[in-house]
Amino acid sequence: DAGVTQSPTHLIKTRGQQVTLRCSPKSGHDTVSWYQQALGQGPQFIFQYYEEEERQRGNFPDRFSGHQFPNYSSELNVNALLLGDSALYLCASSFRIAGDNEQFFGPGTRLTVL
Amino acid sequence: GNSVTQMEGPVTLSEEAFLTINCTYTATGYPSLFWYVQYPGEGLQLLLKATKADDKGSNKGFEATYRKETTSFHLEKGSVQVSDSAVYFCALTPLTGGFKTIFGAGTRLFVKA
Repeated sequence: DAGVTQSPTHLIKTRGQQVTLRCSPKSGHDTVSWYQQALGQGPQFIFQYYEEEERQRGNFPDRFSGHQFPNYSSELNVNALLLGDSALYLCASSFRIAGDNEQFFGPGTRLTVL
Repeated sequence: GNSVTQMEGPVTLSEEAFLTINCTYTATGYPSLFWYVQYPGEGLQLLLKATKADDKGSNKGFEATYRKETTSFHLEKGSVQVSDSAVYFCALTPLTGGFKTIFGAGTRLFVKA
């Protein structure tokens, strides 16, 4: 049983460019959340998708957008990249939306903005 | 607002020493509380959780008790091993206002042989 997978593993972009990160949830999961983890910090909640709709959003600008597909996989898009967007981007999946549900995390995509 | 504060690291211990990593939280109502662990180069893994006051979560020799009176969820282990070296994150998911999980800044643990 494959866990949460993310692609690519690493990515280097320049300021102003756009990037798309991808996530496939654990088998049987239907909810995907995205987090940004800056170096030496805890993950920060970006948004959560369920039934192909954004259900919750953290304090991130509209440059951060996402999508969930019918097979529950998800994309995170970031436009007009800034140096401060350099971070590890983590995808987490769970079954349904509930406060006590365990989230399973992928290994992350390391984004470097030059 | 909701927040999690955990002790700063790094924490360096010798093998078989006792571990405590402090975590306190601010939240409305009764959030669910979690400890996640992140090994080098990997994503986060759930270590244990507790969903109501006085619950004790435990796994792999680690345990933490949900203390509502002190708004704390301290992580403990009686005898650490070198393989426990990792970064530990305390987190909460509020049950109102949307299920946005909030993480602490993490505590790095080094265990020496």
